[in-house]
Amino acid sequence: SQTIHQWPATLVQPVGSPLSLECTVEGTSNPNLYWYRQAAGRGLQLLFYSVGIGQISSEVPQNLSASRPQDRQFILSSKKLLLSDSGFYLCAGTVIGETQYFGPGTRLLVL
Amino acid sequence: RKEVEQDPGPFNVPEGATVAFNCTYSNSASQSFFWYRQDCRKEPKLLMSVYSSGNEDGRFTAQLNRASQYISLLIRDSKLSDSATYLCVVRLFSGGYNKLIFGAGTRLAVHP
Repeated sequence: SQTIHQWPATLVQPVGSPLSLECTVEGTSNPNLYWYRQAAGRGLQLLFYSVGIGQISSEVPQNLSASRPQDRQFILSSKKLLLSDSGFYLCAGTVIGETQYFGPGTRLLVL
Repeated sequence: RKEVEQDPGPFNVPEGATVAFNCTYSNSASQSFFWYRQDCRKEPKLLMSVYSSGNEDGRFTAQLNRASQYISLLIRDSKLSDSATYLCVVRLFSGGYNKLIFGAGTRLAVHP
């Protein structure tokens, strides 16, 4: 079965600083990968999804970008963080016909 | 209108109680339905899929009413360990891929 790894678990960053969150997948190949954000007390908001290497689709316009340099690697980035970027960032993966599984998440606080 | 709506709760129930959560979804093209469980400060984890015929997994029973676009989750004999947020999730094919839409969740607190 697939396992999704994310790091770091917690991150505190100043406004205007860059961001790079990494997600890697184990135990499967060619997964669809997703980045979500969950604000405190809110539902999950889909940010990006990827169906393969170099293929990224964005759900909402924002201050963030994503890249998929390898089949099992998905990266979320920002050049300059905003206060509103604070939240719980979750990477998820799915193989065709299966449900989505989530990584442990990264809790980001922008100060 | 939100695509997936849930009562946020919290539902505070004693151990052993039966509790039911409801959820409605707006897109009639939704294809699959799930309940996820999310513990505080953790990632969501799949609890169970939901089928039109209704399905049961131990103390948990899920029901789907496609005509009313309504999903439910029943928990019998609640345990302290059931305390969590329960997310109602629908899947639909949109924009060329399978997309999951999450409700904001219903919080359950089971007390001794």
